[in-house]
Amino acid sequence: AQSVTQLGSHVSVSEGALVLLRCNYSSSVPPYLFWYVQYPNQGLQLLLKYTSAATLVKGINGFEAEFKKSETSFHLTKPSAHMSDAAEYFCAVSEEAAGNKLTFGGGTRVLVKP
Amino acid sequence: KAGVTQTPRYLIKTRGQQVTLSCSPISGHRSVSWYQQTPGQGLQFLFEYFSETQRNKGNFPGRFSGRQFSNSRSEMNVSTLELGDSALYLCASSFKRGRETQYFGPGTRLLVL
Repeated sequence: AQSVTQLGSHVSVSEGALVLLRCNYSSSVPPYLFWYVQYPNQGLQLLLKYTSAATLVKGINGFEAEFKKSETSFHLTKPSAHMSDAAEYFCAVSEEAAGNKLTFGGGTRVLVKP
Repeated sequence: KAGVTQTPRYLIKTRGQQVTLSCSPISGHRSVSWYQQTPGQGLQFLFEYFSETQRNKGNFPGRFSGRQFSNSRSEMNVSTLELGDSALYLCASSFKRGRETQYFGPGTRLLVL
């Protein structure tokens, strides 16, 4: 069964600093990969999606992620953190045989310090 | 275009009762999936419906069931509620099947006492 690991359940960054959230997946076939963000008391909002078209994927709000097959990783970055980036971030994977089923990582909560 | 809507947003039930949650997908979307979110287990897939048929099911007991109507609206039902069923239940919709981008609703927060 496929799995997703997010290293670090909590990350604290200073406003203006780099945000780096790590995601590693296990999949025997090329997966589709997603990053979602969840603000308090809200559902999940899609940040970006990897579909094998390009290894560097740009998303909303200045986020981007790079797919590295050799490392089975899909880390999320943002060059300069903003207070509004404080939220929980989830990496997810889907495989072709699973239809629309998403398998999520445990999530990383980001705290932005002024 | 309106997003995914879920009703009710909050619900309090007692052990042994049953509950029905509703999800209206984005107009034109035919696939609806349900997820349970808890602090301990994280986000877990419950099931997926497409064209009124369950296409995929997660590892949950039979107390969890769902259905989809001809207008793509979906309901999920949990019978004989247990304390551990307290969670945020999220619904997501997509236009079709096949690793499509899923759009999530705000969720229904269920508290079982």
